[in-house]
Amino acid sequence: EVQLVESGGGLVQPGGSLRLSCAASGFSFGSYWMSWVRQAPGKGPEWVANIKQDGSEKYYVDSVKGRFTISRDNAKNSLYLQMNSLRAEDTAVYYCTRGRTTAVCWGQGTLVTVSS
Amino acid sequence: QSVLTQPPSASGTPGQRVTISCSGGSSNIGSNTVNWYQQLPGTAPKLLISNDNQRPSGVPDRFSGSKSGTSASLAISGLQSEDEADYYCAAWDDSLSGRVLFGGGTKLTVL
Repeated sequence: EVQLVESGGGLVQPGGSLRLSCAASGFSFGSYWMSWVRQAPGKGPEWVANIKQDGSEKYYVDSVKGRFTISRDNAKNSLYLQMNSLRAEDTAVYYCTRGRTTAVCWGQGTLVTVSS
Repeated sequence: QSVLTQPPSASGTPGQRVTISCSGGSSNIGSNTVNWYQQLPGTAPKLLISNDNQRPSGVPDRFSGSKSGTSASLAISGLQSEDEADYYCAAWDDSLSGRVLFGGGTKLTVL
């Protein structure tokens, strides 16, 4: 069974940092593009970033460029999102998803709240 | 404001057929495939339709997708109470590198 389990969310002050993790199981992690998608309270999903199988290509939505970094460790079947200079508008549930253009599988999400 | 435009709400009675539209442009729906996601209350989104009209394993054939030009539609036939959820369309956009766009979502109410 495919499983994606996110962790690392929490309450952080504006300007602070968080590192999200996603533990993958049930599939060959290193064979797939992976993505982070977020959903602000009461809003629709927003694609945040994705990363190629070997980490050689990474793409970001404009609003997080220069602040967020996506990475992966195929040996640990794990995906990461380093988030720096956090803003109130980054408050959302962050989902780890499998796929580049199609989010075939989703984790349960981890809540990030940016507030003073 | 989303580049992919959906009606904010839709409704129907059990057994009815309802459709949800998704309007985009030449750089997204017009040149790439459309996916649809269903989000039940309090849960993560789930892939419902991929590549315009393909149902993943386990998705009932009551759900179908179609596309014409720069617009796409999701149809639900034989509406059931458990179909009450938020529905989102999504498509890759060629105008910005590596970007996937989501629609604003349509809340479906089963009356």
